[in-house]
Amino acid sequence: QKEVEQNSGPLSVPEGAIASLNCTYSDRGSQSFFWYRQYSGKSPELIMSIYSNGDKEDGRFTAQLNKASQYVSLLIRDSQPSDSATYLCAVNLPSGNTGKLIFGQGTTLQVKP
Amino acid sequence: GAVVSQHPSRVICKSGTSVKIECRSLDFQATTMFWYRQFPKQSLMLMATSNEGSKATYEQGVEKDKFLINHASLTLSTLTVTSAHPEDSSFYICSAGTGRGQPQHFGDGTRLSIL
Repeated sequence: QKEVEQNSGPLSVPEGAIASLNCTYSDRGSQSFFWYRQYSGKSPELIMSIYSNGDKEDGRFTAQLNKASQYVSLLIRDSQPSDSATYLCAVNLPSGNTGKLIFGQGTTLQVKP
Repeated sequence: GAVVSQHPSRVICKSGTSVKIECRSLDFQATTMFWYRQFPKQSLMLMATSNEGSKATYEQGVEKDKFLINHASLTLSTLTVTSAHPEDSSFYICSAGTGRGQPQHFGDGTRLSIL
């Protein structure tokens, strides 16, 4: 079992719809969860951090965390073509102090005009 | 805030050349810096983790004599690809973090092409 799992997609949604991206993780000791966006040919960009169970909203983005079920999700409301990218879920490695993150393989989102 | 600068953005050179890539945290002190490699259409692959003033920790399968990492200060880490060959051609990305549980902030990456 992979430590952080995402459906690779592509996930295709029409412009204006809600895109729902999901991620599961295996280590119950993980406490910090991040979503990164990576455009083709570019480096990852941090878009959301979440540390507590529940929802966290930032503009059109909502991150949801359920530690009991070991999943974290990202909702993108009013999806735009410019949201088309690969979204990476990252989870902290509980042991050590380095801040090492385990990344999922990413979900490719396509928003069609 | 949390800006990471990476240079150069692109390198094209002949086989056998050594290439140095710099990674700087511009507005914060990074406890740890990380070096990743990414091939087209593939996931990020962590190569090594480095802390200021100590030896880097390499991931399994990454040759430490091939990929030299120096972390001279809390704001600067360098990766040197020694005697690069075409199979080393890839997208190299650094990131910087401030410790356990904190996010990593990525540089813009370096596209390395070895002819």
